[in-house]
Amino acid sequence: QSALTQPPSASGSPGQSVTISCTGTSSDVGGYNFVSWYQQHPGKAPKLMIFEVTKRPSGVPDRFSGSKSGNTASLTVSGLQAEDEADYYCNSYAGSDSYVFGTGTRVTVL
Amino acid sequence: EVQLVESGGGLVQPGGSLRLSCAASGFTFSTDWMTWVRQAPGKGLEWVANIKPDGSDKYYVDSVRGRFTVSRDNAKNSLYLQIDSLRGEDTAIYYCARHYFQYFDFWGQGTLVTVSS
Repeated sequence: QSALTQPPSASGSPGQSVTISCTGTSSDVGGYNFVSWYQQHPGKAPKLMIFEVTKRPSGVPDRFSGSKSGNTASLTVSGLQAEDEADYYCNSYAGSDSYVFGTGTRVTVL
Repeated sequence: EVQLVESGGGLVQPGGSLRLSCAASGFTFSTDWMTWVRQAPGKGLEWVANIKPDGSDKYYVDSVRGRFTVSRDNAKNSLYLQIDSLRGEDTAIYYCARHYFQYFDFWGQGTLVTVSS
């Protein structure tokens, strides 16, 4: 149950795109299409942004998109806006009804 | 509107115990899995435990198995986390979340547990 690996930080100017990677193993990210992404602003609870690798809950802007290749999942934020500045965490099902989060990435809007 | 409200956090000495509660409303609590997630100060999220709708099955991260017990009372729309033999590394904000299929779609605001002498 080791944490999934994410880059500590990512940044972009308003209007640009930023992509965050989430690397696991064949026992979690690579083994299931059950990757989700969460946005967390300082002092706030996490918010679901992407589920089942590519799906967006209602109310989440289509600027947020997800993908997966092998053992690595990715979250892309297009058309960066000031309110996108936050911490982002991936999560994957890891078998036997267990789950594992990523290490987290702080996105900064320059 | 879905609401999850945690309570029961506080300051406790190492080796002590605490019972966290999560009051749910706005959805059919008795038919949904529920999950606890924690976040140490300045650190990332860690999945802690989950529980089936009827409470018959429970799953834990290795680091808490044997010390933490998740339970629920569907008649009271409430989720619980009994934390025993507390250690400094258990200091964290504890969030409850609705566990829908294989993701967590609604979260509470969390309750802070501080383990210190």
